[in-house]
Amino acid sequence: DIQMTQSPSSLSASVGDRVTITCRASESIDNYLNWYQVKPGKAPKLLIYAASTLQSGVPSRFSGAGSGTDFTLTIGSLRPEDFATYYCQQVYTTLGAFGQGTKVEVK
Amino acid sequence: QVQLMESGGGLVKTGGSLRLSCAASGFTFSDYFMAWIRQAPGKGLEWVSYISSGGTNRYYPDSVKGRFTISRDNAKNSLYLQMNSLRAEDTAVYFCARDFNSGSRLDSWGQGTLVTVSS
Repeated sequence: DIQMTQSPSSLSASVGDRVTITCRASESIDNYLNWYQVKPGKAPKLLIYAASTLQSGVPSRFSGAGSGTDFTLTIGSLRPEDFATYYCQQVYTTLGAFGQGTKVEVK
Repeated sequence: QVQLMESGGGLVKTGGSLRLSCAASGFTFSDYFMAWIRQAPGKGLEWVSYISSGGTNRYYPDSVKGRFTISRDNAKNSLYLQMNSLRAEDTAVYFCARDFNSGSRLDSWGQGTLVTVSS
């Protein structure tokens, strides 16, 4: 099975900060990588698919990059509504694993 | 717009059963693969099951295989999850989600329904 490892597990940041989250696959997954935002009590939200394609309606401050085994999600300028937990997910295989999540907290 | 609404969660005893439902609207349900994903308290997202658009193909991780059954009724725009032999570790919020393009991405999710398994 392909394992997904995110880092860091959590980070503290302020509004306006640039934030980068890393996701590493245990083997190459080409660009079959998605990013989701999860907030308590709310429906999870797809942010980025195919490693770097912004989902419709998602603000442009979110961006994704990478291919093969190493990927990043960047929030260009953090806004109050961005404090949440972010997950990567590989879709190279059926039932592709999620990363363990990165919680973005208020500094 | 796309809407997914889960129901059927609740408190159940260890070894018991529960059936979750997901009502879909705002899109042609029968065109899409659908999924159940769960999040245990303080934990990350985990696959529970996945079903093809026509219902023929179903997928489960080892953690629920043989205990959970996913199904759908395209005439009723509904997705189901029958959960048997429930364990404490099945305690989680269960989300239904739409797969936009047969394995490419889960582009719409419901708000989830909480299942608590306790002795």
